[in-house]
Amino acid sequence: EAQVTQNPRYLITVTGKKLTVTCSQNMNHEYMSWYRQDPGLGLRQIYYSMNVEVTDKGDVPEGYKVSRKEKRNFPLILESPSPNQTSLYFCASSLLFGGTQYFGPGTRLTVL
Amino acid sequence: AQKITQTQPGMFVQEKEAVTLDCTYDTSDPSYGLFWYKQPSSGEMIFLIYQGSYDQQNATEGRYSLNFQKARKSANLVISASQLGDSAMYFCAMRAGNQFYFGTGTSLTVIP
Repeated sequence: EAQVTQNPRYLITVTGKKLTVTCSQNMNHEYMSWYRQDPGLGLRQIYYSMNVEVTDKGDVPEGYKVSRKEKRNFPLILESPSPNQTSLYFCASSLLFGGTQYFGPGTRLTVL
Repeated sequence: AQKITQTQPGMFVQEKEAVTLDCTYDTSDPSYGLFWYKQPSSGEMIFLIYQGSYDQQNATEGRYSLNFQKARKSANLVISASQLGDSAMYFCAMRAGNQFYFGTGTSLTVIP
């Protein structure tokens, strides 16, 4: 089944404890992206990747890192999480940039 | 500046009636794409419909149609014959440059 998977789905952590949210797609998509969703703000793009080893900042990259060492995986890294990073995070992918994005199920992160 | 605006935080519609969800956009890029996504209470993001900036005809997908008015920079979603299962959050999104931009969403409630 074609899909985008994210792990974990739910995470509660404490300020400053490094964490990684994994994202994987099995559709051979070139473009991958991370978003955060906050009430009243919609979705905002954190980072995106046009292809392997090519990543760039979106609108809200502060406090986040990403890597794209292989086409299928695009992990989101929070080196030192803070409470303002409490949010719902979505990973998405599309065959090519500009195409329809398919979203993962979301990761709900709480930073205490 | 790239921007998507959804001015209706909440909408109500009677079952079997049609409803229009508003979306306006702002971009200086001549090539862009417009998308609508549905987010039910379960949280996943579901792609509904896409319109390219050079498409001459309005996009349609089943009960969904996109009323694209380029001069007015609007891309309204029309849902015909509303069903109870249409109750959800709806997001308008734009692809411009290398990024995607989302509106703040409209919460649609279908009344029996």
